[in-house]
Amino acid sequence: DGGITQSPKYLFRKEGQNVTLSCEQNLNHDAMYWYRQDPGQGLRLIYYSQIVNDFQKGDIAEGYSVSREKKESFPLTVTSAQKNPTAFYLCASRSGANRGNTIYFGEGSWLTVV
Amino acid sequence: RKEVEQDPGPFNVPEGATVAFNCTYSNSASQSFFWYRQDCRKEPKLLMSVYSSGNEDGRFTAQLNRASQYISLLIRDSKLSDSATYLCVVNRNTNAGKSTFGDGTTLTVKP
Repeated sequence: DGGITQSPKYLFRKEGQNVTLSCEQNLNHDAMYWYRQDPGQGLRLIYYSQIVNDFQKGDIAEGYSVSREKKESFPLTVTSAQKNPTAFYLCASRSGANRGNTIYFGEGSWLTVV
Repeated sequence: RKEVEQDPGPFNVPEGATVAFNCTYSNSASQSFFWYRQDCRKEPKLLMSVYSSGNEDGRFTAQLNRASQYISLLIRDSKLSDSATYLCVVNRNTNAGKSTFGDGTTLTVKP
């Protein structure tokens, strides 16, 4: 089945540590996204990538980094510079206009700083 | 002003009620529009696309008003299972680029 796989689902991080969240899709989508969601809040865009080897900052990119070396993969690193990283992280990809221009999400990763 | 704004909610309605949500967007060049549903602690899932001519899927009707820059979602004959947060999404481009979500409107349907 085609879809988006995020891992790990739950992650605990000590303060000062960098962590990387994995996101893989087999939908052959060019565009991929990372969103952050805090309890009771909406989705905020961290980074997005429209094509391999290219990505743009979203609304809350500080303290995060990404790479897009392969079409299928768009990992997110939460660095120690992110002061309040505890949140629900959602990876998504978007189909092209010829397939409805629709966003599909992975199941999300819960990051907790301990 | 936020790029996409939704009714603040929460909406608490009895079973069988009709409820409507609105979502306004500020960028007149926005190209495509969607409604998503998000259950507690889960990822958002596509509910329906929104077309200029309006579209219906069972008890759900979505409409787009480009002149006033808003989209709407109407739910008829509410079910307990409709309880969730409803998010509107606005895309600037047809192929890729930034997708902006509203903060969501929470609906609770009570017996």
